[in-house]
Amino acid sequence: QQQVKQSPQSLIVQKGGISIINCAYENTAFDYFPWYQQFPGKGPALLIAIRPDVSEKKEGRFTISFNKSAKQFSLHIMDSQPGDSATYFCAARSGNQFYFGTGTSLTVIP
Amino acid sequence: DVKVTQSSRYLVKRTGEKVFLECVQDMDHENMFWYRQDPGLGLRLIYFSYDVKMKEKGDIPEGYSVSREKKERFSLILESASTNQTSMYLCASRLRQGYGYTFGSGTRLTVV
Repeated sequence: QQQVKQSPQSLIVQKGGISIINCAYENTAFDYFPWYQQFPGKGPALLIAIRPDVSEKKEGRFTISFNKSAKQFSLHIMDSQPGDSATYFCAARSGNQFYFGTGTSLTVIP
Repeated sequence: DVKVTQSSRYLVKRTGEKVFLECVQDMDHENMFWYRQDPGLGLRLIYFSYDVKMKEKGDIPEGYSVSREKKERFSLILESASTNQTSMYLCASRLRQGYGYTFGSGTRLTVV
């Protein structure tokens, strides 16, 4: 049973466009929501994270939008660049455990 | 810079072999984790350890065991490798609860 549902599985965006990846959850005990970025041949690396007491967090071109009532959060990549092409994972934490989404493969075409 | 090192990037093993995947961290982290990553399934937790000599089962421990004799080293053991254990294996560590993960680069294991 997938605790965190992520969509889409793959995404192709033109350079300069906005990439949007969505995640949904049911467990209201989740208290921390990170996004990880993984390049081919590398392990995932923390990109940006949010706690449920805020609705948005922005770091450069990356923004997390968080909707607590809908139990959804999303990653927006503004002005997407070919160097952003990677797999993105959302995750959620409850107690000691992290639960990961299934990943989104993003391709940004020049 | 913080580092989690997985000893092998690629491994090919035969069905029935005993396989050891090694992970070493140099950050004095207390907690260490083993995940497997499969397309469409994301990261699934196999085993984790909150301290030396301590281990806990994750979501998919069947067919695996672990060893943590020293704080910096966490080994994943496939007692008798099977083809359905062909996967990317990721090791991660964190300082303690409440801190974020640092992942290794992964070991791609193929069982033939």
